[in-house]
Amino acid sequence: KAGVTQTPRYLIKTRGQQVTLSCSPISGHRSVSWYQQTPGQGLQFLFEYFSETQRNKGNFPGRFSGRQFSNSRSEMNVSTLELGDSALYLCASSVDNSPLHFGNGTRLTVT
Amino acid sequence: GDSVTQMEGPVTLSEEAFLTINCTYTATGYPSLFWYVQYPGEGLQLLLKATKADDKGSNKGFEATYRKETTSFHLEKGSVQVSDSAVYFCALSDQGFQKLVFGTGTRLLVSP
Repeated sequence: KAGVTQTPRYLIKTRGQQVTLSCSPISGHRSVSWYQQTPGQGLQFLFEYFSETQRNKGNFPGRFSGRQFSNSRSEMNVSTLELGDSALYLCASSVDNSPLHFGNGTRLTVT
Repeated sequence: GDSVTQMEGPVTLSEEAFLTINCTYTATGYPSLFWYVQYPGEGLQLLLKATKADDKGSNKGFEATYRKETTSFHLEKGSVQVSDSAVYFCALSDQGFQKLVFGTGTRLLVSP
């Protein structure tokens, strides 16, 4: 069974730009969660989608948004990028009420 | 709000040594507790979990027991290997398994 796939693996953007990250969950997993990992703040929950609906949201500004498609694939978008948005963004999928399976992440660098 | 506190790293051990990584938590309800491991350049992998008090999670020689009275979930392994070198994260969730609160992570370095 293929794992969680995140694309791209690396991304370099300039302040003020926007970026879209993609996540393909494990087949059959309908829940997709996103996390931000930085050296300073550690791992922080962004949001979770289940059956195309946002079910949970973390404490991030509205510049961070996401969506989920009918095939459970998910995208997250960050608009008006700031230097502090540089991070490893991790996507995780799960069957409802079972532990998360994480992808290898997308490393975003904002210059 | 909920929080997880882990011991600072790095933890440096010789192969076959005994490992303990301390983890304590603060939560208003009765959370599920997890240990995840992150190898260099990779995402997180679930190592073990416990969903109620006195449960013991175990996997690949690692163990942790959910201690409600001390709000702890310490990770232990009797004999570490070089391949166990990684960053270990303790986490909790009181809203299903999707919204996790993580500790800061503890880097383990095992030398031959």
